[in-house]
Amino acid sequence: NAGVTQTPKFQVLKTGQSMTLQCAQDMNHNSMYWYRQDPGMGLRLIYYSASEGTTDKGEVPNGYNVSRLNKREFSLRLESAAPSQTSVYFCASIPSGYYGYTFGSGTRLTVV
Amino acid sequence: SQQGEEDPQALSIQEGENATMNCSYKTSINNLQWYRQNSGRGLVHLILIRSNEREKHSGRLRVTLDTSKKSSSLLITASRAADTASYFCATDSKAAGNKLTFGGGTRVLVKP
Repeated sequence: NAGVTQTPKFQVLKTGQSMTLQCAQDMNHNSMYWYRQDPGMGLRLIYYSASEGTTDKGEVPNGYNVSRLNKREFSLRLESAAPSQTSVYFCASIPSGYYGYTFGSGTRLTVV
Repeated sequence: SQQGEEDPQALSIQEGENATMNCSYKTSINNLQWYRQNSGRGLVHLILIRSNEREKHSGRLRVTLDTSKKSSSLLITASRAADTASYFCATDSKAAGNKLTFGGGTRVLVKP
């Protein structure tokens, strides 16, 4: 099935642990995004990659790093997890131009 | 910061009724998009309306855009229980670096 695939779906980390959230799309989209969604709130942009080989900070980048491994894959890394990073993380992608975003199903992360 | 703000925050209606929700934003936009999110799932793109368009239809959905008032509305006609979800508006603007910025969402409950 074409779309955006995120792994893992659920994760529990202890404060200070690190982990990488994986995202892959098979639609040949140029741009990819990482958002976080906190209870009762909309999505906030963490990082994005307008094209392969480029990454830029979004609204809430602190505590995160990203890698655009190739055109398909865009990973989000938490180097030292904090309870404030407990959230649901969504990856999304679009082709060039103005289109609706295609979202993955999310990773629910809890940091204890 | 949230560019779009939805109103109301929550809406409860009977099956068959129409549901209307509004979105206000602060800066000039390239386009405005509406998304649906079912509980525990990712966001699904519903409709995109460009800044030079005033109204757009897609099935039972009708979206209007008033750039002079910096507002948009989403109407769902003849609602069904399956329309129960959260609905988010998102704006694409030069002020946000041509990246999508989401509002806090409207939670819609359609009672059978």
